[in-house]
Amino acid sequence: AQSVTQLGSHVSVSEGALVLLRCNYSSSVPPYLFWYVQYPNQGLQLLLKYTSAATLVKGINGFEAEFKKSETSFHLTKPSAHMSDAAEYFCAVSDRTGRRALTFGSGTRLQVQP
Amino acid sequence: DGGITQSPKYLFRKEGQNVTLSCEQNLNHDAMYWYRQDPGQGLRLIYYSQIVNDFQKGDIAEGYSVSREKKESFPLTVTSAQKNPTAFYLCASSIDRPGDPRRYGYTFGSGTRLTVV
Repeated sequence: AQSVTQLGSHVSVSEGALVLLRCNYSSSVPPYLFWYVQYPNQGLQLLLKYTSAATLVKGINGFEAEFKKSETSFHLTKPSAHMSDAAEYFCAVSDRTGRRALTFGSGTRLQVQP
Repeated sequence: DGGITQSPKYLFRKEGQNVTLSCEQNLNHDAMYWYRQDPGQGLRLIYYSQIVNDFQKGDIAEGYSVSREKKESFPLTVTSAQKNPTAFYLCASSIDRPGDPRRYGYTFGSGTRLTVV
């Protein structure tokens, strides 16, 4: 069975600092990988996804993530944090076969300090 | 514009009652999903359906039921057997046609917050 681990339930950065949110996956074959953002009491918005094309994936709002098979990781980064980036972020995996539903990590809440 | 509509946004349930959460999509997506979100636990899959008139249990299906009579609709019933139903419920949909480049593009609704009173 697939699983996703997000290290750090809370991350705090200063405005303008680098954002790094960590995600590791467990899967017998490389899955498809996703990062979503959620603002309070709202649904999820897709930031970016990896579906076996380029390993460095660029998403919306200046975010990017790199798929590293050897490390089974898909960490999310942004060079310079904005106050508007404060939200909860979820890493998710999808099997390429079978049920194809997303399996989510437990989430990381990002705080941006002025 | 196409999207997913979940209703109601807020729902209150008395002990022992069944309640039904609505999820409708006009994206012509094949697959639909229900997730439950609790603080600190991420989203957990309740049920999913990849085709009309068929659905499968997810990881936490006990105390829930669904139907998929139309492609556009995937209602979730929270039964009295669900002992701790207070949570945020999210519906999602996706294209599930082999070879379609838009496959694995999941769209989420804005959620229903269910509270037991």
